[in-house]
Amino acid sequence: QQPVQSPQAVILREGEDAVINCSSSKALYSVHWYRQKHGEAPVFLMILLKGGEQKGHEKISASFNEKKQQSSLYLTASQLSYSGTYFCGSSEGGSNYKLTFGKGTLLTVNP
Amino acid sequence: DSGVTQTPKHLITATGQRVTLRCSPRSGDLSVYWYQQSLDQGLQFLIQYYNGEERAKGNILERFSAQQFPDLHSELNLSSLELGDSALYFCASSVEVDEQFFGPGTRLTVL
Repeated sequence: QQPVQSPQAVILREGEDAVINCSSSKALYSVHWYRQKHGEAPVFLMILLKGGEQKGHEKISASFNEKKQQSSLYLTASQLSYSGTYFCGSSEGGSNYKLTFGKGTLLTVNP
Repeated sequence: DSGVTQTPKHLITATGQRVTLRCSPRSGDLSVYWYQQSLDQGLQFLIQYYNGEERAKGNILERFSAQQFPDLHSELNLSSLELGDSALYFCASSVEVDEQFFGPGTRLTVL
């Protein structure tokens, strides 16, 4: 089942912060975050694993609440380069590889 | 550049036809994933291969098939094409079940 992302879109000014949420109705093993710029391929940002392990970018942080089956991506002091569509992908049942992606959150950072 | 290559970049064909999309993973990556991205369905996982064997299956139609060859490149075969198959098809690769590196995609247009 597809995870639900919110908000669908957000507009920021450079330097502002944003939070993108991802929730699932099913128990999650891991949550993956990707960013896709228009006309380009998705690029890996972060993996959050059950048990608290995280792998990802230094400038982007995220949380994973296993009980609530939710993850949040925190973008602080946004830069113009942060603009793009952010996707969360969830995996279930003890495997990382079969990812179900949300519909995405379009983030626009203006000068 | 992710190191994943996909050919062709664009493909225009007619309904009822069959096409083959090709993907070469990053050097050393054993896993290959195929995704379909359309405006209404978002990023959909199709299938994953690991070292030549199918490991996970998503929402892949029976008209679609894939394989991974001994040199680890992969092909996605789409047959009896319909208008609704028009989409961007991404291939991704990873070492294990970790960060996925996406190729530039093949844009398929079915007329």
